[in-house]
Amino acid sequence: QVQLVQSGAGVKEPGASVRISCTASGYTFTSFYIHWVRQAPGQGLEWMAMINPKGGSTFYTQKFQGKVSLTRDTSTGTVYMELNSLRSEDTAVYSCARGATRGGLQDWGQGTLVVVSS
Amino acid sequence: DIQVTQSPSSLSASVGDRVTITCRSSQTIITFLNWYQHKPGKAPTLLISGASTLQAGVPSRFSGSGSGSDFTLTISSLQPEDFATYYCHQSYTFPHSFGQGTKLEIK
Repeated sequence: QVQLVQSGAGVKEPGASVRISCTASGYTFTSFYIHWVRQAPGQGLEWMAMINPKGGSTFYTQKFQGKVSLTRDTSTGTVYMELNSLRSEDTAVYSCARGATRGGLQDWGQGTLVVVSS
Repeated sequence: DIQVTQSPSSLSASVGDRVTITCRSSQTIITFLNWYQHKPGKAPTLLISGASTLQAGVPSRFSGSGSGSDFTLTISSLQPEDFATYYCHQSYTFPHSFGQGTKLEIK
């Protein structure tokens, strides 16, 4: 079965960076985009960015350009999201999700809670 | 960027009620509109893709309709397990975007 397994939660100080991994299994890694979605406390879902594992192309919402970087390792079926210059407003659950071109997000990781606090 | 406006933001209903949630996009997205159910502490579940295609395993009381810029999610007869937050999501073009969510509560 399809699985997306994310790395664990963490607490980071303001100004620090965090890297979250999303390891895919159960399907051909290069056949589906991986999207990143975040949910801040008490807020709705926010689409952040996407990577195409086939060639590594990416798209970031303007809000996250320069703040988020997506990379992938096709040998392990893993996508990495690095979030830099963390602020308290970045405290959220970050989730990866698999989707076909122009399709819905059909499978999701379990979510990774990042708390930014001094 | 395409904005997606979802309404209402909250809805109080009873078991057995028929409920409708709407999404409007700021420009045409043809039928590239998806609906999710989200419960606290769990990953969202894709209910409907392509505006009206019910995902495998999703009960038939859920249905979606619409095209262009106006879309609807209908739950024909609410069940206790349906009380959750629902989101629409446009996948027509990047950046994708979600509606603000509709919290469905028990009356």
